[in-house]
Amino acid sequence: QVQLQQWGAGLLKPSETLSLTCDVYGGSVSGYSWSWIRQPPGKGLEWIGEINHSGSTAYNVSLKSAVTISVDTSKNQISLKLHSVTAADTAVYYCARNRAFDIWGQGTVVTVSS
Amino acid sequence: DIQMTQSPSTLSAAVGDRVTITCRASQSPSGWLAWYQQKPGKAPKLLIYKTSTLESGVPSRFSGRGSATDFTLTISSLQPDDFATYYCQQYDTLPFTFGPGTTVHIK
Repeated sequence: QVQLQQWGAGLLKPSETLSLTCDVYGGSVSGYSWSWIRQPPGKGLEWIGEINHSGSTAYNVSLKSAVTISVDTSKNQISLKLHSVTAADTAVYYCARNRAFDIWGQGTVVTVSS
Repeated sequence: DIQMTQSPSTLSAAVGDRVTITCRASQSPSGWLAWYQQKPGKAPKLLIYKTSTLESGVPSRFSGRGSATDFTLTISSLQPDDFATYYCQQYDTLPFTFGPGTTVHIK
């Protein structure tokens, strides 16, 4: 079955760039939409943005200017970049497939601290 | 943005109880409503999509219904594995939005 394996730096300083990657195993990245979602400690889920099956992106307005989501079909992976992070960006970050998110990555804990 | 609310925020129930969680949207998501279960330290798991369609592999004690702006998730007979936090999510309109969650505790 399809599995998503996330990786990337977990400890950042304020103003640095968060960079996470989500590898897709057992299936293709093509033909689906892919989202990134985050969950601050002890809080609920926040949708960050998506890249759809045609490569178009949409981002949460609260983060729009700082976020880039991309797909690399040759590597079968999805990437997230969040620029100029602050402590408020501390969260568990997830990648997920489709719009009813049927498959999730394992989550990556990202801490922003000076 | 479509705002999602859930009630109750927490509930205590016993094994075997019938449990219903309510989700309300600030405007109709046209049926594009999903429910997730999340356990501590784990990624959410999709239970139901398009208001009432059970995701493959999800036990039939879970069911969803609703229309317009009001939706419910029902667990017909609560099992020990069901103690968790449940979220609704609309995926009709960008940005996709989640409810704040309902935590089901053991009574």
